[in-house]
Amino acid sequence: SQQGEEDPQALSIQEGENATMNCSYKTSINNLQWYRQNSGRGLVHLILIRSNEREKHSGRLRVTLDTSKKSSSLLITASRAADTASYFCATDEWNQGGKLIFGQGTELSVKP
Amino acid sequence: DVKVTQSSRYLVKRTGEKVFLECVQDMDHENMFWYRQDPGLGLRLIYFSYDVKMKEKGDIPEGYSVSREKKERFSLILESASTNQTSMYLCASSILSQTGYTFGSGTRLTVV
Repeated sequence: SQQGEEDPQALSIQEGENATMNCSYKTSINNLQWYRQNSGRGLVHLILIRSNEREKHSGRLRVTLDTSKKSSSLLITASRAADTASYFCATDEWNQGGKLIFGQGTELSVKP
Repeated sequence: DVKVTQSSRYLVKRTGEKVFLECVQDMDHENMFWYRQDPGLGLRLIYFSYDVKMKEKGDIPEGYSVSREKKERFSLILESASTNQTSMYLCASSILSQTGYTFGSGTRLTVV
């Protein structure tokens, strides 16, 4: 079952610009997580936001969560070419014991 | 840093072969997971385990089995490989529910 749906599917920006990716989900969650994947590699955990939190920061990353709209956004500020990767949201649903359901990802390309 | 090691980066197997994909984590994590990743389908959960000798089916367990004889090792077994099991396989672990996952680098399996 697919829970998170990312939007857009692909995003191309210039270095220095901000990148915003959105994620929508369907059921109640314990938390929502964002991951990054460089081409052909495993995923790297970026940030976790709990259902009772509305915003969280980590370096150049800012994540928001709106549980009433069942949506989240990931903002990368002052993007760099090295930020080029796929970004996935994943939801930890209630009563599912911590298994994550991943969306299909947003492919971000940052041009130098 | 927690490390999740998958035994092979690339693997080519013949149809009908029994295939073992190995995953080892070095930080005493309770939970371990196997996903497969395919273009346009995102990550799909195959099997997971919350403890030694314990296993739970994910969303797409058909054609797979798993083994967790020791806490640090979680093996995915393709009983009789088929071409539709050609995919990227990703192993992950987490210390608790409601925490982030640590992923291995992935195994790209091709079944010919």
